[in-house]
Amino acid sequence: QSALTQPASVSGSPGQSITISCTGTSSDVGGYNYVSWYQQHPGKAPKLMIYEVSNRPSGVSNRFSGSKSGNTASLTISGLQAEDEADYYCSSYTSSILYVFGTGTKVTVL
Amino acid sequence: QVQLVQSGAEVKKPGASVKVSCKASGYTFTSYDINWVRQATGQGLEWMGWMNPNSGNTGYAQKFQGRVTMTRNTSINTAYMALSSLRSEDTAVYYCARGLAVFDPWGQGTLVTVSS
Repeated sequence: QSALTQPASVSGSPGQSITISCTGTSSDVGGYNYVSWYQQHPGKAPKLMIYEVSNRPSGVSNRFSGSKSGNTASLTISGLQAEDEADYYCSSYTSSILYVFGTGTKVTVL
Repeated sequence: QVQLVQSGAEVKKPGASVKVSCKASGYTFTSYDINWVRQATGQGLEWMGWMNPNSGNTGYAQKFQGRVTMTRNTSINTAYMALSSLRSEDTAVYYCARGLAVFDPWGQGTLVTVSS
């Protein structure tokens, strides 16, 4: 089971919107609505930002949204802010090893 | 509040074993799975396995089968992850995380360094 594929880096200016993709297969992302997204600042533990493709936990800004089409899930951050600069990981339930993470995306706020 | 607190950093020699603990508070320990995830320095997240604290049932990623053991002590709301036959490639931060398909919250992480 290989990791889900994410772009290594995405950047944007404050106030802009960016989208991070997470590509898998029909055995993981495409087959189940159990895609989550996590934000990780340097030296910190990951934090849940989106679960079950598009649900936002209490306390997470509504600037974060998730979606899925086929075997690709996406995380969109609108109104980009300096505090959004971090690494982002997707994860999915899979039919084989149970769970798999994405390769990770470094978001830079210009 | 819901919290997972992990044990402190460890330094081990190649071939040794390590056991990391994860103490839960703020919720009913036996009601949620505990997962273990590791992250080598500068690398991504890698899911290792899960444990159901109620039944003790476990499931491990194939990569770790035969080397990892996940257990719990329900009297003290603590989960454990033991990894044997350590090698330098096992040097990483190990996290516990609560949940089924959704990992929330996470422990603060435990650095395990494997070095001769």
